[in-house]
Amino acid sequence: GEDVEQSLFLSVREGDSSVINCTYTDSSSTYLYWYKQEPGAGLQLLTYIFSNMDMKQDQRLTVLLNKKDKHLSLRIADTQTGDSAIYFCAERFFHDKIIFGKGTRLHILP
Amino acid sequence: NAGVTQTPKFRVLKTGQSMTLLCAQDMNHEYMYWYRQDPGMGLRLIHYSVGEGTTAKGEVPDGYNVSRLKKQNFLLGLESAAPSQTSVYFCASSYQGRNTDTQYFGPGTRLTVL
Repeated sequence: GEDVEQSLFLSVREGDSSVINCTYTDSSSTYLYWYKQEPGAGLQLLTYIFSNMDMKQDQRLTVLLNKKDKHLSLRIADTQTGDSAIYFCAERFFHDKIIFGKGTRLHILP
Repeated sequence: NAGVTQTPKFRVLKTGQSMTLLCAQDMNHEYMYWYRQDPGMGLRLIHYSVGEGTTAKGEVPDGYNVSRLKKQNFLLGLESAAPSQTSVYFCASSYQGRNTDTQYFGPGTRLTVL
């Protein structure tokens, strides 16, 4: 079946790079997404990558997709206190179904 | 432009009571969605709509009903609330259902069923 797994917690020092990882089981997805959820707010789409791409860069964000290992990662360069949030990866399939991971809580250390 | 709004923000129900959650969007989006978010879990799709007058079941539809009488509104109903429906409910909308269409999320409704 379709399943998306993420580690639940990540702690990073301010100014360092954060790398949030995600693995998935069903490789028939069309797009993969990274969402950010700040406390008390809904999800905000950060970036997405088409399933036939390996990498996408958008300012401080770099998405890497390893289709062979079914592994997706989000790298945030120069992590700031405003990056503190829960990050969700999600897979989208042809039939419009989107499967979300459980979310990774990113904690920024001073 | 308010985006996606949800009412109410918080609600406490007793088992067996009914209620309706309202989602409104002012972006003229065709697609609207209702998700629930439980601790330690990702979002799960309850129901969605691909246009006015249409609804479809998502991943966890049991115990919920929806209606899309107007394009801008998507209602989620609980006919007989159960403690298992204690959750945070998020509404989202997108222009269409294309892969690159961003889903815009509302701020959420925190529901507790006693």
